[in-house]
Amino acid sequence: KQEVTQIPAALSVPEGENLVLNCSFTDSAIYNLQWFRQDPGKGLTSLLLIQSSQREQTSGRLNASLDKSSGRSTLYIAASQPGDSATYLCAGTGANSKLTFGKGITLSVRP
Amino acid sequence: NAGVMQNPRHLVRRRGQEARLRCSPVKGHSHVYWYRQLPEEGLKFMVYLQKENIIDESGMPKERFSAEFPKEGPSILRIQQVVRGDSAAYFCASSPSGAETQYFGPGTRLLVL
Repeated sequence: KQEVTQIPAALSVPEGENLVLNCSFTDSAIYNLQWFRQDPGKGLTSLLLIQSSQREQTSGRLNASLDKSSGRSTLYIAASQPGDSATYLCAGTGANSKLTFGKGITLSVRP
Repeated sequence: NAGVMQNPRHLVRRRGQEARLRCSPVKGHSHVYWYRQLPEEGLKFMVYLQKENIIDESGMPKERFSAEFPKEGPSILRIQQVVRGDSAAYFCASSPSGAETQYFGPGTRLLVL
């Protein structure tokens, strides 16, 4: 059974700092790994999807990496801004396209 | 090009009533997924449907919960005889095929009094 862990649960950084959010998963037999953003009271926005055959994906200031052998993924945010404040969720896609989510990391970027 | 639509956005029910949550997928998407987010918990998979078929319902509680995705119309998640523990945010997602990015709706927040 897949388990996804995100530690720490919360993170506060000053504006402009580069930061890394970590995600670990127990079952390396995943089809892909996705990072989502969730704002309070809102739905999920997909940020990046990494296929199991890929090592990383980039979109603007975001870079996500995937290491299946170690069961880890990271989301790198460059030059953080207050607008990046949100909860970031990682999810592994397994059999039948089921997403298994971590509990998320709540990021606060201080002006 | 509308995204995934869910309604209602907020739903209040008293214990014992029925709750019906609707999800209209992205136009052209035939795969729908339902997830539940309990307070202080992560999102948990409930059910995966493809038009008129339930593909995987391994995350659905055994009683009171049912889901459908008819040939025409939205997908429906139905909760009978709601209890306070059903209070949660219910999210629907859709994809064009089973192996692609899932696009999430804004969720329905159910409160059971």
